[in-house]
Amino acid sequence: DSGVTQTPKHLITATGQRVTLRCSPRSGDLSVYWYQQSLDQGLQFLIQYYNGEERAKGNILERFSAQQFPDLHSELNLSSLELGDSALYFCASSVKGWDRGNGANVLTFGAGSRLTVL
Amino acid sequence: EDQVTQSPEALRLQEGESSSLNCSYTVSGLRGLFWYRQDPGKGPEFLFTLYSAGEEKEKERLKATLTKKESFLHITAPKPEDSATYLCAVQANTGNQFYFGTGTSLTVIP
Repeated sequence: DSGVTQTPKHLITATGQRVTLRCSPRSGDLSVYWYQQSLDQGLQFLIQYYNGEERAKGNILERFSAQQFPDLHSELNLSSLELGDSALYFCASSVKGWDRGNGANVLTFGAGSRLTVL
Repeated sequence: EDQVTQSPEALRLQEGESSSLNCSYTVSGLRGLFWYRQDPGKGPEFLFTLYSAGEEKEKERLKATLTKKESFLHITAPKPEDSATYLCAVQANTGNQFYFGTGTSLTVIP
């Protein structure tokens, strides 16, 4: 157990629907990252939050949104789902966000949420 | 543009047959290079962080090395339980993102 908790583990839904994926970071970690992993692609960075604030944005579609709450858990909302959104979605947490002069962060990953869109 | 390329895509080894995985990177100022292990259907598991050229780290049968342009993950006398996908990632000094390679899928045959 990495200490990063993701729910649900598996989710099957239909095209056009909306789902919410939840992530609880490891105790003490302030930063949360979301990644998408498809069969034919590596880990694609979606978005990062640090202590409730958005810090970096990657290739996140406009249909997707995320937030980090005061208790530091994060949710990734996926709407108007398409077949191509089927993937593993990973949350990772780290202690720090980013600040010039800090050491490199180590990401701790959750077990992922497998989304299947039919 | 910051990017990471891993080779080979897949590698099959006999148990005990040592080999190396490669990670080539382009980044505007390296903050850190990371190696992760990922088992099927699971999240990546952290192995090593390397910060500067010349640095080496070891853990059991694995040894990671770093130059200014690439990193190698050396696997000595692998066992079947070492079978997994090995991911390389870099973090640049200029931002928060981690750039991941697509991984090397390692299969160790008994």
